[in-house]
Amino acid sequence: EVQLVQSGAEVKKPGESLKISCKGSGYTFTNYWIGWVRQMPGKGLEWLGIIYPRDSDTRYNPSFQGQVTISADRFINTAYLQWNSLKSSDTAIYYCARLLVVAAGFFDLWGRGTQVTVAS
Amino acid sequence: EIVMTQSPATLSVSPGERATLSCRASQTIGNNLAWYQQIPGQAPRLLISGASTRATGIPTRFSGSGSGTEFTLTISSLQSEDFALYYCQQYNNWLTWTFGQGTKVEIK
Repeated sequence: EVQLVQSGAEVKKPGESLKISCKGSGYTFTNYWIGWVRQMPGKGLEWLGIIYPRDSDTRYNPSFQGQVTISADRFINTAYLQWNSLKSSDTAIYYCARLLVVAAGFFDLWGRGTQVTVAS
Repeated sequence: EIVMTQSPATLSVSPGERATLSCRASQTIGNNLAWYQQIPGQAPRLLISGASTRATGIPTRFSGSGSGTEFTLTISSLQSEDFALYYCQQYNNWLTWTFGQGTKVEIK
């Protein structure tokens, strides 16, 4: 089955670090860009950045540059989203998703999401 | 940044009726538009890309149309599983993608 499996929900305090994961299976993980998309409580969707797992080429939405770090390990078909110092405003559901076509920017396969809660 | 505006914010429709959702881009995007469905508690699902091409496995009651700045998603006969949130997304230029704020389709 073609799928993206994300790590479980996290509850953290402001200032803490966090790394969440997204593991692809059922397809050649290194052939497709993986993106991260944020959904804040009751809000819409925002893309944070994308990564090409084959060579870890990474591009960020300018609005999120410097706020998060995206990485990948092609040997275990996993992409990551990382924060060095969480803020309460980082509370959201984070989805990983696959870009079907490199020349287009829509996502055809989504993970179930990781709930990140940042509270003191 | 291209701003995507969806209307209405909420659409109340009876099962079996037609639903028409609109999405407007603040500047022309050709046909570089996708539609997603999100059932509460679930991940978004790709419905349409290229403004009118259904994704694999999407029922034919879902259809997309439009180009330039005005786009429409039509659900021809609403089924119970179609009551959800719907988002449009433009991808006209690489890495400058934006989503609309969503339309909630609820049972009338």
